[in-house]
Amino acid sequence: ELKVEQNPLFLSMQEGKNYTIYCNYSTTSDRLYWYRQDPGKSLESLFVLLSNGAVKQEGRLMASLDTKARLSTLHITAAVHDLSATYFCAVAGANSKLTFGKGITLSVRP
Amino acid sequence: EAGVVQSPRYKIIEKKQPVAFWCNPISGHNTLYWYRQNLGQGPELLIRYENEEAVDDSQLPKDRFSAERLKGVDSTLKIQPAELGDSAVYLCASSQGGGSKNIQYFGAGTRLSVL
Repeated sequence: ELKVEQNPLFLSMQEGKNYTIYCNYSTTSDRLYWYRQDPGKSLESLFVLLSNGAVKQEGRLMASLDTKARLSTLHITAAVHDLSATYFCAVAGANSKLTFGKGITLSVRP
Repeated sequence: EAGVVQSPRYKIIEKKQPVAFWCNPISGHNTLYWYRQNLGQGPELLIRYENEEAVDDSQLPKDRFSAERLKGVDSTLKIQPAELGDSAVYLCASSQGGGSKNIQYFGAGTRLSVL
């Protein structure tokens, strides 16, 4: 059974500083997704990572994938308040079924 | 282009009552998913449709939950009777299916409270 773990579960970030959050999973997969969810809102797709060593960047967020370590990281550069949200990673398993982690809640303070 | 549309946004019912949720996927998306998201958790798949066929309903509690996707477009998810533990957000998602990315696009969800 595919298991997805994210850490930390909560991160208080200071504006302007850099941070990294993590997603690791238990079995081989060929696709990993990062989603963002604002309170009371739906999930918004951020990145799709398809291969070992894949790196995607959008604004202050950069996601990478290491399939050998079964690990994805999401790096935040110079945190700003707009990045406050919950970030989920989801891993594709058998029959393309997605298994989500519990999510990491990011809060940016001045 | 409109995204995934769900209704209602909120529903409050008493236990043992029936409830239904409706989803209209993105036009042209053949694959439709229903997820349940409990507080503080990630979404968990309940059922997946390819066109009008349910291809994965292994996580759907079939004693009380049912779903249909007539004509391969809109879908409804029903709970009868509802239990206290069914309180959650029910999310619908759709994707084009196939392809290497197969990104799922989510609706805003229906927040169900069972009293």
